[in-house]
Amino acid sequence: AQTVTQSQPEMSVQEAETVTLSCTYDTSESDYYLFWYKQPPSRQMILVIRQEAYKQQNATENRFSVNFQKAAKSFSLKISDSQLGDAAMYFCAYRSYNQGGKLIFGQGTELSVKP
Amino acid sequence: EAGVAQSPRYKIIEKRQSVAFWCNPISGHATLYWYQQILGQGPKLLIQFQNNGVVDDSQLPKDRFSAERLKGVDSTLKIQPAKLEDSAVYLCASSPGPASGNTIYFGEGSWLTVV
Repeated sequence: AQTVTQSQPEMSVQEAETVTLSCTYDTSESDYYLFWYKQPPSRQMILVIRQEAYKQQNATENRFSVNFQKAAKSFSLKISDSQLGDAAMYFCAYRSYNQGGKLIFGQGTELSVKP
Repeated sequence: EAGVAQSPRYKIIEKRQSVAFWCNPISGHATLYWYQQILGQGPKLLIQFQNNGVVDDSQLPKDRFSAERLKGVDSTLKIQPAKLEDSAVYLCASSPGPASGNTIYFGEGSWLTVV
């Protein structure tokens, strides 16, 4: 069974600075998707960025980018030029390519942004 | 485009009582998910529907939880009788289909407190 681990329960960053959130996963599959979701206090999960495992190039979405290390099974999220609105819970998630089913989430990292 | 709608947003019940949550997915989305998110944890899949058929209910506590998706559109999740450990946010999500490349969209969740 696949597992996702986020070892940082809380992180803090100064406004306009850069922060990196860590995620590791365990799988025996070679094809899969990885995601970062943001969950503000409203609890709605918002997709931040996704990465297809077969792509070597790291995904980027404006201020958000990932460092995908397939051999190490590591998938970190970098937020550049942090803004107050970035404060939220961030979840790393895994989805099997072939089974077309559920997202498997990590435990989450709570990010606070200091003005 | 309207998002995933859930109701009620908040519910407080006593243990051993019953409760039902309703979800209306994005129009045209064939796949519907119910996730349970206990405070401080990542969401966990309870059940996945493809149209009106169940794809995965392996983690649904079937002695007390039930879910249905009549006509392949909206869905209801029921808990009877509720236990204290059922206190959580119940997230409904939908996607156009089961293919892993499809984005999964989440609702704002239904918060349940069992006292």
